[in-house]
This record gives sequence, C-alpha cells and structure tokens, in this order.
Amino acid sequence: DAGVTQSPTHLIKTRGQQVTLRCSPKSGHDTVSWYQQALGQGPQFIFQYYEEEERQRGNFPDRFSGHQFPNYSSELNVNALLLGDSALYLCASSSTRSGNTIYFGEGSWLTVV
Amino acid sequence: QKEVEQDPGPLSVPEGAIVSLNCTYSNSAFQYFMWYRQYSRKGPELLMYTYSSGNKEDGRFTAQVDKSSKYISLFIRDSQPSDSATYLCAMMWTGANSKLTFGKGITLSVRP
Repeated sequence: DAGVTQSPTHLIKTRGQQVTLRCSPKSGHDTVSWYQQALGQGPQFIFQYYEEEERQRGNFPDRFSGHQFPNYSSELNVNALLLGDSALYLCASSSTRSGNTIYFGEGSWLTVV
Repeated sequence: QKEVEQDPGPLSVPEGAIVSLNCTYSNSAFQYFMWYRQYSRKGPELLMYTYSSGNKEDGRFTAQVDKSSKYISLFIRDSQPSDSATYLCAMMWTGANSKLTFGKGITLSVRP
C-alpha cells in the first residue's frame, strides 16, 4: 500500500518564476491538504481539496493555488515566486470516512534564488 | 499569542532516559491531538493520536491530554538514539478533515 507520494523531491527556482508540485494521496483517501514548512518551524496549512474543490484555505496569498483531479491526486501551484517561498511543501491525505488520521508525504523542497 | 506553543529546544538526553515533551494551546475548540515525529529532511510521521482528555499508550510512547489546562504531553520511556528527531504537536477542531495546527517542534537528541 503506497503512502502519500510527492514530486519532485527537490527543486530550485528563480524569483518571479512559477512552480507546480504534485501529490498522490494514500490509497483510499479522498482529501488532500497542503502545508508549508519553513526551516525551524512547524507546518502551516495552505489549503485543502475535496471533491475537486478547495474546501478550506489558510492565510496564504492568491499566488498559491491548487487543483484536485478525479483520481484524488492534487497539484500546488505558486506564481511569482519570492525568496520567502523557500520551504518544504508537504502534502497530507485523509479520508472523509475516517478523517481523524492524517498522513504526510516526504515533501518537496523548494529553494527560490 | 500563538494558538499552539511548544517547549523550546533543542533537548539532549542520555540513552535510556525518560523524555517529556509538552505543548500548550489557547483554542478550547481543539478536540483531536496528535504527535508527529520528523526526521531530518523527511515528512512528518504520525506517532500518536488522541481524542479529548486522557492518556494513550503505544509501546514506549504515552500521549497525555489535559483539556482543562489546555496542555498535552508526549512521554518517551527508555529513549533510544533512533528517537533522535524533531517532535511536532498538532491539533484540530473536529475529525471531519479539519486542518492541523502545529507547534513549532522540538528537536530531541538521544546520546548513546
């Protein structure tokens, strides 16, 4: 049973560019959330997708957008990258049938130079 | 005041020690409490999950929740060098796919 998988694992982008990160949830899970974890900090909630719609959103600007596909996989897009966007981006999956346990992927390390 | 405060670190203990990790929170609406372990440059791994007040034990790990004091703890008995990692407390309001609110994390080092 594959867990939460994310790609790419590492990437370097230039300020002003755009980036797309991808996530496949754990088998049987239908809800995907994205978190940003800056160095030395706890993860911060960006947004959550269920049934291909954004259901909740944290305190992040509109430069952060996402999408969920019919197979429950998800993408996180960040436009007009800033140096401060450098962080570990974590995808978390859960199930509406048993939403109390949330599993994380290994994350995508984004460095903006 | 942050919603979730976690004891600052880092923390270094000798092998075999009992470790106590603590978090306080301000939002009384939190009902579900988790502890995640995160190894360097890896994603968080769910260690313990507790609903409402009480204790939960899993092997060498015990999670404790005191909702009246808005205080949660994770105890690690007979600590091992492999327990060296960052420990994150997290909590959410309801079980219906709520967002997680995390503490800052504390880095634990267990010396052989």
